[in-house]
Amino acid sequence: NAGVTQTPKFRVLKTGQSMTLLCAQDMNHEYMYWYRQDPGMGLRLIHYSVGEGTTAKGEVPDGYNVSRLKKQNFLLGLESAAPSQTSVYFCASRRTGEDEQFFGPGTRLTVL
Amino acid sequence: RKEVEQDPGPFNVPEGATVAFNCTYSNSASQSFFWYRQDCRKEPKLLMSVYSSGNEDGRFTAQLNRASQYISLLIRDSKLSDSATYLCVVNRNQFYFGTGTSLTVIP
Repeated sequence: NAGVTQTPKFRVLKTGQSMTLLCAQDMNHEYMYWYRQDPGMGLRLIHYSVGEGTTAKGEVPDGYNVSRLKKQNFLLGLESAAPSQTSVYFCASRRTGEDEQFFGPGTRLTVL
Repeated sequence: RKEVEQDPGPFNVPEGATVAFNCTYSNSASQSFFWYRQDCRKEPKLLMSVYSSGNEDGRFTAQLNRASQYISLLIRDSKLSDSATYLCVVNRNQFYFGTGTSLTVIP
């Protein structure tokens, strides 16, 4: 099993550009999450999904959109990137009824 | 007020030392509690869940005090491989992460 994978691993964008981060998990988990991690801030939840076709806002959703068209994939979109979105983005998944989250390796995004 | 607060450290301890990390959470409705470990530039991984009765996993002991809204992690006989950042995590309908406490174990 690959666990949770994220694509791409690194990306540099210019202000105003758009991009999509892909998260995939092969553990048949129902829950999936997108977090961002910034120095001194800890991980903050952007959006999450409790199942295919459903999404919900987390703590810092502004400037991001998500989609969960397939159970194994959770996409995070930035429509118009801003320097404040420079961060490390982590995706995670977990099984219903269990607390442990499994994280992907992260995507390091820089917005110039 | 932050949901979860941790002393960021850094903690620099010699091999074999015992070290304790503390964490407080602000909302008494929080439901479950965890310690995650994060190595430099890597993803967080679950170290252990924290139960009201306290729980132990080898050299690691976690305690929860719901009355004081306080969580602790004790590491005994520190190893070089324990060097990492330790994240306190609280679940209240969603997961809230502390900023992490950095530990370096020195030979």
